[in-house]
Amino acid sequence: DAGVTQSPTHLIKTRGQQVTLRCSPISGHKSVSWYQQVLGQGPQFIFQYYEKEERGRGNFPDRFSARQFPNYSSELNVNALLLGDSALYLCASSLDPRNEKLFFGSGTQLSVL
Amino acid sequence: AQSVTQLDSHVSVSEGTPVLLRCNYSSSYSPSLFWYVQHPNKGLQLLLKYTSAATLVKGINGFEAEFKKSETSFHLTKPSAHMSDAAEYFCVVSGWAAGNKLTFGGGTRVLVKP
Repeated sequence: DAGVTQSPTHLIKTRGQQVTLRCSPISGHKSVSWYQQVLGQGPQFIFQYYEKEERGRGNFPDRFSARQFPNYSSELNVNALLLGDSALYLCASSLDPRNEKLFFGSGTQLSVL
Repeated sequence: AQSVTQLDSHVSVSEGTPVLLRCNYSSSYSPSLFWYVQHPNKGLQLLLKYTSAATLVKGINGFEAEFKKSETSFHLTKPSAHMSDAAEYFCVVSGWAAGNKLTFGGGTRVLVKP
């Protein structure tokens, strides 16, 4: 069975640009969460979606947005990129929003120059 | 509010010796607690979780953790380290009052010497 898949694996952007990251959850999982992991730190919660509705939002600016599609895949969008947005972006899926067992993808490494 | 403090940023052990990774948490409600492992260039993998059942939790690959409410701790141990245990380990707290979002500690990098 396929795990959580994320694309692209690596991305290089310049300041001010916009980026879209994609995530496909494990088949049957209806909840998708996004986390940002800056080098040397633990992941930080950005968003959670369940059944296409936002169920939670972390302490991130409005430049960050996300959505979930009818097939439960998800996109994370970041506008007006800053150097500080450089990080590993992790997507995780679970059966339901309780998150008692999250499965993580390998992440998208975003570098902002 | 919830938070996690991992008391050691780096731990170095010899192969075959015990491993202890220390974690303290803060939560205003009964939390769920987890340990995740992150190998280089791989996603996070759940090692074990505590959700108000037995206080001693057994996980995969020989790891276990003990929940101590009086000390607000959830330390991770393994009796005998293997080279494949070299990775970064994260202690995580969650709970319904925080919308079930996971709050991660800063991580502990484990080095295993032959």
